[in-house]
Amino acid sequence: QPVLTQSPSASASLGASVKLTCTLSSGHSNYAIAWHQQQPGKGPRYLMKLHSDGSHTKGDGIPDRFSGSRSGAERYLTISSLQSEDEADYYCQTWGTGIVFGGGTKLTVL
Amino acid sequence: QVQLVESGGGVVQPGRSLRLSCAASGFIFSNYGIHWVRQAPGKGLEWVAVISFDGSNKYYADSVKGRFAISRDNSKNTLFLQMTSLRADDTAVYYCVKGGTAVQTEDYFDYWGQGILVTVSS
Repeated sequence: QPVLTQSPSASASLGASVKLTCTLSSGHSNYAIAWHQQQPGKGPRYLMKLHSDGSHTKGDGIPDRFSGSRSGAERYLTISSLQSEDEADYYCQTWGTGIVFGGGTKLTVL
Repeated sequence: QVQLVESGGGVVQPGRSLRLSCAASGFIFSNYGIHWVRQAPGKGLEWVAVISFDGSNKYYADSVKGRFAISRDNSKNTLFLQMTSLRADDTAVYYCVKGGTAVQTEDYFDYWGQGILVTVSS
């Protein structure tokens, strides 16, 4: 079963861009993942599915400021033109041999 | 629009049982696998269980295997989670979550419910 590793925290300034990383464990570098956002006090929301070829499929109403990419075993979520409402926890998720979540990254918008 | 609305949560004593429900609307319920995911206070997300679109396959996290049972009623667009032998570490917000691809059981999640709190305490 794959393991997903995320940095516990990240920060960036209002209006800037930030790139969050989710790393797949050895032997699982071709897995697709999904990104989910959880704003403070709310339930999670699906952002996008990042396919194994690096393309992504976004959820309903997700702004163009959110994009996904990959390099090897790393999967990225890039948020541009950061807004205050982007301050949230971001989780990556994969599937195939069980359902697995990363530990989440808490993003602070300065 | 897709809606998933959980109910049945509350405070329960250790060792007792509780049944959660999830009412689904806005999509063809009988075409999709549906999951339960939980989040303990201040912690990350933990997958709990999944049931296939037709109810024929059910899978559980090791932490709940043998104690929790997932089921569905496709005629009523409703998902259930029967929780028995509850322990303090089952305290969490429980989310009903829709799989993203028709027919597929293990899958990404594309819609989440608002969650329901279960507190196990004496």
